[in-house]
Amino acid sequence: NAGVTQTPKFQVLKTGQSMTLQCAQDMNHNSMYWYRQDPGMGLRLIYYSASEGTTDKGEVPNGYNVSRLNKREFSLRLESAAPSQTSVYFCASSNYGRKNEQFFGPGTRLTVL
Amino acid sequence: DAKTTQPTSMDCAEGRAANLPCNHSTISGNEYVYWYRQIHSQGPQYIIHGLKNNETNEMASLIITEDRKSSTLILPHATLRDTAVYYCIVRAYHTGNQFYFGTGTSLTVIP
Repeated sequence: NAGVTQTPKFQVLKTGQSMTLQCAQDMNHNSMYWYRQDPGMGLRLIYYSASEGTTDKGEVPNGYNVSRLNKREFSLRLESAAPSQTSVYFCASSNYGRKNEQFFGPGTRLTVL
Repeated sequence: DAKTTQPTSMDCAEGRAANLPCNHSTISGNEYVYWYRQIHSQGPQYIIHGLKNNETNEMASLIITEDRKSSTLILPHATLRDTAVYYCIVRAYHTGNQFYFGTGTSLTVIP
């Protein structure tokens, strides 16, 4: 039981390049999330998927797209990377219910030059 | 979701209780109080949550005031491994699964 896995762990891009961050969970959770965390800041929600087949914008969705490929996988795409997108990206998953505990992946550290 | 206010940083001696306060004066009746922590560079970890009654689990205790405008997370015997950023979040169940993390309290446990 790996929990939430993310690939890659580190990535350096040049401005204008594109890439996809991958996230997978093996806990049969319905909901999945993408957050970004800038230095010294808390996490900000980019996009989330409450259930398979649905996606919704969070606080900071501009410059990103997401795909809920199936119940296990939720990917985040940067179509044209900008230096302002340099950040640590965390994926999380949870199930329904009042506890709604979110389980987080180890993060992807992205630098855009 | 209601906003929360937490001190930026706190210190605690190892073995003593760490009491982390959180103000949420605009909390609504259907909003829960959640606590997460983030140990250096890792993803956040759930600690505890509550609505109006005090709660305790194997990690911590959560004390919510009667008017629900503030709460305190208590780590009864802090260890060096409890050094982390602690986030207090209030969230209504009906808003779906979104959590809004603030900047939290950076707790340093001192040997």
